[in-house]
Amino acid sequence: DAGITQSPRYKITETGRQVTLMCHQTWSHSYMFWYRQDLGHGLRLIYYSAAADITDKGEVPDGYVVSRSKTENFPLTLESATRSQTSVYFCASSEGLEQETQYFGPGTRLLVL
Amino acid sequence: GQNIDQPTEMTATEGAIVQINCTYQTSGFNGLFWYQQHAGEAPTFLSYNVLDGLEEKGRFSSFLSRSKGYSYLLLKELQMKDSASYLCAVPTYSGAGSYQLTFGKGTKLSVIP
Repeated sequence: DAGITQSPRYKITETGRQVTLMCHQTWSHSYMFWYRQDLGHGLRLIYYSAAADITDKGEVPDGYVVSRSKTENFPLTLESATRSQTSVYFCASSEGLEQETQYFGPGTRLLVL
Repeated sequence: GQNIDQPTEMTATEGAIVQINCTYQTSGFNGLFWYQQHAGEAPTFLSYNVLDGLEEKGRFSSFLSRSKGYSYLLLKELQMKDSASYLCAVPTYSGAGSYQLTFGKGTKLSVIP
């Protein structure tokens, strides 16, 4: 019972490179979310998805691209990484939206040099 | 918009009781979540309140007052393993209809012997 997994768990990249963070859930949850967590800011929503091929922006979407071709996968791509995107990225999923608990993956620590 | 305030840090003694407060300002109210996050790990769900009053769940209780925009998490019989950050979160919708779970910056609780 894997639940929700993220890969890679740690990533070092250079400014300007494209990076894709993977998220996979085995619960068949409709909703999936990407957050970043930084000291002094807490968790901030980047993008979320209500179903396959349906995505919407969160609080801090600039510089990120998402897709959802399959219900279980929700990759996050940094098209041209910047140092300000150094952060811990968490993927989450939930059955519904309102009043529904979100379940978080273990996180990916990304360092952009 | 939404604004969530929590104390940054708290320290309490093993076996004692601690109350972690959260105040929020939001346009439209759809409940309030508490999450626990141990250092280097993912947030995990603790409680959800949508009606006023106290909800008890073992050693943890959560209180909500919608008229005051106030919630607290009460931890009893503190154990060393309760040392973690506690995140208050409020779901909201933007003017464009986008959903967002807005998190406070979290309260880092240190339990000392």
